[in-house]
Amino acid sequence: KQEVTQIPAALSVPEGENLVLNCSFTDSAIYNLQWFRQDPGKGLTSLLLIQSSQREQTSGRLNASLDKSSGRSTLYIAASQPGDSATYLCAVVTGFQKLVFGTGTRLLVSP
Amino acid sequence: DAGVTQSPTHLIKTRGQQVTLRCSPISGHKSVSWYQQVLGQGPQFIFQYYEKEERGRGNFPDRFSARQFPNYSSELNVNALLLGDSALYLCASSLFGYTDTQYFGPGTRLTVL
Repeated sequence: KQEVTQIPAALSVPEGENLVLNCSFTDSAIYNLQWFRQDPGKGLTSLLLIQSSQREQTSGRLNASLDKSSGRSTLYIAASQPGDSATYLCAVVTGFQKLVFGTGTRLLVSP
Repeated sequence: DAGVTQSPTHLIKTRGQQVTLRCSPISGHKSVSWYQQVLGQGPQFIFQYYEKEERGRGNFPDRFSARQFPNYSSELNVNALLLGDSALYLCASSLFGYTDTQYFGPGTRLTVL
């Protein structure tokens, strides 16, 4: 059974810092990995999708890497801003047609 | 283009009642998935539909059912509601299914009293 873990569970940083969020998964047989952002009480916003054959993806200040063999992904956020405050979720796609989510990292960026 | 839409936004029901949640995917998307998110946890997979056929089912009781219509919109039905069904129900759409980016709607907040 695929299990996804995200560390840390919560993170508080001052504005401007670069930060790294971690995601690990137990079964390396994944099709892809997706990072999402969720604001309180809201739906999920897709940030980045990494296919299993890729090593990383970049979008603006965000960079996500994938090491499938070790079951790890990281989301790097450069020059953090208060508007980045949200919960960040990673999810992997298995052969059972579904996303398996971690429990998320709650990020607070202070001005 | 409009994103994924869900209705209603909020819903309050009592135990034993039945509820129907609705989802309209992004135009051109043929796959719809449903997820349940309990407070403080990541979303849990309930169903996936592609071209009106069920492609996957999560570990949920038979009280949960869904269908997809010819216009690719979808409904999630939950019968005999329990207190534990209180959650945010999320719908996601994609072009083909699990191999491409999943786009989520704003969710329906269900409270069971």
